[in-house]
Amino acid sequence: DTGVSQNPRHKITKRGQNVTFRCDPISEHNRLYWYRQTLGQGPEFLTYFQNEAQLEKSRLLSDRFSAERPKGSFSTLEIQRTEQGDSAMYLCASSGGGGYTFGSGTRLTVV
Amino acid sequence: SQKIEQNSEALNIQEGKTATLTCNYTNYSPAYLQWYRQDPGRGPVFLLLIRENEKEKRKERLKVTFDTTLKQSLFHITASQPADSATYLCALLSGGYQKVTFGTGTKLQVIP
Repeated sequence: DTGVSQNPRHKITKRGQNVTFRCDPISEHNRLYWYRQTLGQGPEFLTYFQNEAQLEKSRLLSDRFSAERPKGSFSTLEIQRTEQGDSAMYLCASSGGGGYTFGSGTRLTVV
Repeated sequence: SQKIEQNSEALNIQEGKTATLTCNYTNYSPAYLQWYRQDPGRGPVFLLLIRENEKEKRKERLKVTFDTTLKQSLFHITASQPADSATYLCALLSGGYQKVTFGTGTKLQVIP
């Protein structure tokens, strides 16, 4: 296992389009997190899964955002009807307790 | 409201000196405090975790202190090297879900 993998690394999309990102966590980790980070800021919590259950969702996450983790393995984050304000780095992390292991992120640019 | 404050100004120090970064928090009762390193365009990398009942934790050239009375953590890098140049993020963990809340980070530049 080589750590947390995120795809794609970069995504450029037109405003109004839908995008989907994928995260493959460390296989033995049951906790998976999505964060969003903009330039000069720390990562902001979006949502959290324990196995396949989505246990918490930030108020930052509008109804255009949805995340899934079928079968408690990989996770997807979908943004519908993208807006320019959605441009950011989207980070996935997994944990089995202790510190998080982050992926390299997906950088989204909405034009 | 809950706040995690790190010095937003970059910290420049000479190679070989000790770098000290500060993390202050308000309206939190964290069970754990973590420090991460982040390089440009990459995800954060976990460095150290310290529990609320621990005063100090060390790992190689790194030392973290945690003062729950002052609501402050200090992160020290001794014998700093140019390769230590990065942004360092403080993060608090509270609640039952192991959710981590991050500060904005402090950029460290070690000058050869």
